[in-house]
Amino acid sequence: EAQVTQNPRYLITVTGKKLTVTCSQNMNHEYMSWYRQDPGLGLRQIYYSMNVEVTDKGDVPEGYKVSRKEKRNFPLILESPSPNQTSLYFCATASPQGTDTQYFGPGTRLTVL
Amino acid sequence: GEDVEQSLFLSVREGDSSVINCTYTDSSSTYLYWYKQEPGAGLQLLTYIFSNMDMKQDQRLTVLLNKKDKHLSLRIADTQTGDSAIYFCAERFTSGTYKYIFGTGTRLKVLA
Repeated sequence: EAQVTQNPRYLITVTGKKLTVTCSQNMNHEYMSWYRQDPGLGLRQIYYSMNVEVTDKGDVPEGYKVSRKEKRNFPLILESPSPNQTSLYFCATASPQGTDTQYFGPGTRLTVL
Repeated sequence: GEDVEQSLFLSVREGDSSVINCTYTDSSSTYLYWYKQEPGAGLQLLTYIFSNMDMKQDQRLTVLLNKKDKHLSLRIADTQTGDSAIYFCAERFTSGTYKYIFGTGTRLKVLA
């Protein structure tokens, strides 16, 4: 079954404590991306990756890091989380052929106290 | 700048048609998409339209694209309570990057 998985699904943490949200896909897609969803703002792209070892900034990259060492994984790293990073995070993948349709993970709800 | 705009809320009665509107900015976008997000879930692709098309129909869904006005709409015929969700339009921004831009989402509420 084609899947995009994210872990954890829910996380409550404190300001400044480093965390990583993992994203994994089994569709062999080259393109992976992270978004955050906030009320009234829709989805905003944080980072994306066109392929292994290739990453680019989206619209709201400040405070986030990513890495793409393997095709299937694209972790999102918050080195020093702050309360304004409390949000719902989605990982997505796409194959840049055909319609470029993105497939989304189930989401990670992060609360930073 | 890059912006995709949608109205935030829409309420319709069961059995009526729903029309969700979106305006986008990048006239060079290749594909435009409609995604549906049900409560507590991720986004699922509903339909897409290629930029050289004016209309696309898929069962109860009709997508209209007005390139001159950069306006995209999604019509849902015979709206059901199961259609209650948030609907996002999105464009793949092609001007030198591979970014996707999403709208703010329209929350559709279907009244029985």
